[in-house]
Amino acid sequence: EAGVVQSPRYKIIEKKQPVAFWCNPISGHNTLYWYRQNLGQGPELLIRYENEEAVDDSQLPKDRFSAERLKGVDSTLKIQPAELGDSAVYLCASSTPDRGGTGELFFGEGSRLTVL
Amino acid sequence: AQSVAQPEDQVNVAEGNPLTVKCTYSVSGNPYLFWYVQYPNRGLQFLLKYITGDNLVKGSYGFEAEFNKSQTSFHLKKPSALVSDSALYFCAVSPTYNFNKFYFGSGTKLNVKP
Repeated sequence: EAGVVQSPRYKIIEKKQPVAFWCNPISGHNTLYWYRQNLGQGPELLIRYENEEAVDDSQLPKDRFSAERLKGVDSTLKIQPAELGDSAVYLCASSTPDRGGTGELFFGEGSRLTVL
Repeated sequence: AQSVAQPEDQVNVAEGNPLTVKCTYSVSGNPYLFWYVQYPNRGLQFLLKYITGDNLVKGSYGFEAEFNKSQTSFHLKKPSALVSDSALYFCAVSPTYNFNKFYFGSGTKLNVKP
């Protein structure tokens, strides 16, 4: 079974530039999460999707961050414009409804963003 | 507010010795509890979980965790550490009122020396 796929793995941009991250979850997983992991810290939820619907985006900085999950499969997370403080690893995770309820999140390898 | 604490940034242990990585939480109700492991430049991998029942749960790679409700703790343990266990370990909790929401601790780096 293929795992959660994220791209790019690494991205270096200058501040005020836009950036986008892509995630392909495990086939059949309805729930998709985007987390941000700052250096030395645990993951923090940015947004959670159930199929196409964003059901929890309370921690997403909506002035510069946006996300979409068209057709309830792949998802894209965008930052525009990026700021120095956005440097972090952006993790995508997925789960089925049952497994999401019991904690088995499947994570991708992450996209490491460096903003100069 | 919901929170998860991992009081040790780093734990050092010799190979073959037992290891403990500590986790305490502050979440209302009876939360679900988890441990994840992260190897360098990799995503997080699920290790084990506590939902209900026996306070000692067993997981992958010989790890186990002990739930203590009175102390609101969920410490990760292994009887005999391996060098390959060296990684970053995260405790996570999920409140029963919203079990699709997860709060992660800040992580503990485990160093197992030969």
